[in-house]
Amino acid sequence: DSGVTQTPKHLITATGQRVTLRCSPRSGDLSVYWYQQSLDQGLQFLIHYYNGEERAKGNILERFSAQQFPDLHSELNLSSLELGDSALYFCASSVAGTSGGPWTYNEQFFGPGTRLTVL
Amino acid sequence: ILNVEQSPQSLHVQEGDSTNFTCSFPSSNFYALHWYRWETAKSPEALFVMTLNGDEKKKGRISATLNTKEGYSYLYIKGSQPEDSATYLCAVNTGNQFYFGTGTSLTVIP
Repeated sequence: DSGVTQTPKHLITATGQRVTLRCSPRSGDLSVYWYQQSLDQGLQFLIHYYNGEERAKGNILERFSAQQFPDLHSELNLSSLELGDSALYFCASSVAGTSGGPWTYNEQFFGPGTRLTVL
Repeated sequence: ILNVEQSPQSLHVQEGDSTNFTCSFPSSNFYALHWYRWETAKSPEALFVMTLNGDEKKKGRISATLNTKEGYSYLYIKGSQPEDSATYLCAVNTGNQFYFGTGTSLTVIP
């Protein structure tokens, strides 16, 4: 158990809908990262938040957004869902320093993932 | 987009054999390299984070080396055990992006 929690574990929804995935980092971790693992692609980095602020953005679609709240939990919002959005979504957390600096040296601890199925 | 390549794609070894696999990446825009172990139906588990050219890290029977000048990292497993069966992923951190390889799937046959 990494100490990172994600809810829900599974989510089944229809095209065009909007869903919210939730992540609680390990106690004391300020950084949260979101990743997507789809069948035809490897693990893709989506976005990184540090202490409530967006710090880095990867291959995240405009239909997707994220935020990190004052209690450090994070939510990934996926809207206008398409069949191709079906994937396993992981969040990870790490102890972090400032952007572009020591945060990148730290181990990331992954949550168990949320499996999203869009029908 | 940074192309991170891992080889071989899959590997079957006998219990007790030592093995190694490679992660290759463009040497420009390099900030750190992460190795993960990913068992089926679980989430990736961090093994090492490496930053400096010539870095060597070790955790039990698993070790890794890093050559940032030529753009590669090796992961070694000494005396493979069935519980080492997993996919081993590397990821290159450019300072604001993470790029993952597709992994090496290791099966250790008892």
